[in-house]
Amino acid sequence: KAGVTQTPRYLIKTRGQQVTLSCSPISGHRSVSWYQQTPGQGLQFLFEYFSETQRNKGNFPGRFSGRQFSNSRSEMNVSTLELGDSALYLCASSRGTEGLETQYFGPGTRLLVL
Amino acid sequence: KQEVTQIPAALSVPEGENLVLNCSFTDSAIYNLQWFRQDPGKGLTSLLLIQSSQREQTSGRLNASLDKSSGRSTLYIAASQPGDSATYLCAVTSGGSYIPTFGRGTSLIVHP
Repeated sequence: KAGVTQTPRYLIKTRGQQVTLSCSPISGHRSVSWYQQTPGQGLQFLFEYFSETQRNKGNFPGRFSGRQFSNSRSEMNVSTLELGDSALYLCASSRGTEGLETQYFGPGTRLLVL
Repeated sequence: KQEVTQIPAALSVPEGENLVLNCSFTDSAIYNLQWFRQDPGKGLTSLLLIQSSQREQTSGRLNASLDKSSGRSTLYIAASQPGDSATYLCAVTSGGSYIPTFGRGTSLIVHP
């Protein structure tokens, strides 16, 4: 069974631009969560989508948004990029039973904002 | 607000040693606790998931225990190998929300 895939793997953007990251979950998984990982803050939860609806949300500004499609693939968008948005963005999928399941992570998208 | 602490932050051991990584959390009303490993520049790989009703889980050379009353979990690695070198993170999913809180990790180096 194929794992979680994320595209692109690397991105370089400049301040003020916007970016869209994509995540394809494991087949049959309906939940996709997004995380930001930085050396300063560690790994922080952004949001989770289940059946095309945002089910949980972390404490990030509205510049960070996401969506999920009917095939469970998810995209994350960051508008008006700031230098501090440079990070490894990870997505994780699971079947969707909250609080009970293992999450499977993708390899991440490394974003550098100049 | 749940806080998760991992001690030590870094650890270097010779091959073959048995070792213990620690994870502590402040709110004992948890759904589960999960241990992951992360190789440099890569995503996370799930190692063990312990539900709140369980005391421990084992997989191969790994054993994780959970003591909710004291807010602690330990990951025991037996007979460490150089391939075990990675950062180990624990994540706690707490009651009231299903948002996992991650520790900062323990960076482990096992040298031959």
